[in-house]
Amino acid sequence: GAGVSQTPSNKVTEKGKYVELRCDPISGHTALYWYRQSLGQGPEFLIYFQGTGAADDSGLPNDRFFAVRPEGSVSTLKIQRTERGDSAVYLCASSLGPRETQYFGPGTRLLVL
Amino acid sequence: AQTVTQSQPEMSVQEAETVTLSCTYDTSENNYYLFWYKQPPSRQMILVIRQEAYKQQNATENRFSVNFQKAAKSFSLKISDSQLGDTAMYFCAFCTSGTYKYIFGTGTRLKVLA
Repeated sequence: GAGVSQTPSNKVTEKGKYVELRCDPISGHTALYWYRQSLGQGPEFLIYFQGTGAADDSGLPNDRFFAVRPEGSVSTLKIQRTERGDSAVYLCASSLGPRETQYFGPGTRLLVL
Repeated sequence: AQTVTQSQPEMSVQEAETVTLSCTYDTSENNYYLFWYKQPPSRQMILVIRQEAYKQQNATENRFSVNFQKAAKSFSLKISDSQLGDTAMYFCAFCTSGTYKYIFGTGTRLKVLA
């Protein structure tokens, strides 16, 4: 069916605000990943879910960042007290399993003013 | 530390010509996977080609092929018969067989000229 989808496509917020970014993986994919892509850089790993659990959150930069995947499908990346340095494209990817090829969504461009 | 290096920030090629994008990586692992992804202005990362390190044969996908040199830790992408639609950022990525984190290079911006 459809590929990975992410909403919103773009998000503009003010410093200090809370934001939620959503990812819908490919149907049947058990593994889900979040990456952050800063301007002029390649994507950097944030967190990996296998099913409902966060198997590896070692890439989250600090405790303002949190992600959930309560039913093992849709995932939400949550950022509290946003800072200007959080501005980036946030990419979501999914795969059939943890060592299968990852397929990426179009990303959410976050701009913190 | 595992790293991926793309030393060509920008490249251009005439339509219908061939271009090669370079990628080197550093790892002490023996089993891993290498990828090339294309990212057009739409931001969608599209898988171009994948190579398993244990396979000696270079992967090919239509006009796209790789030159995988395991001893040199080099993984270049050759695009033949370049088309205007190939204009995009190209990222080389690496993943060891024991993990799931992709490590990306900084990308090469390719422009195909009419």
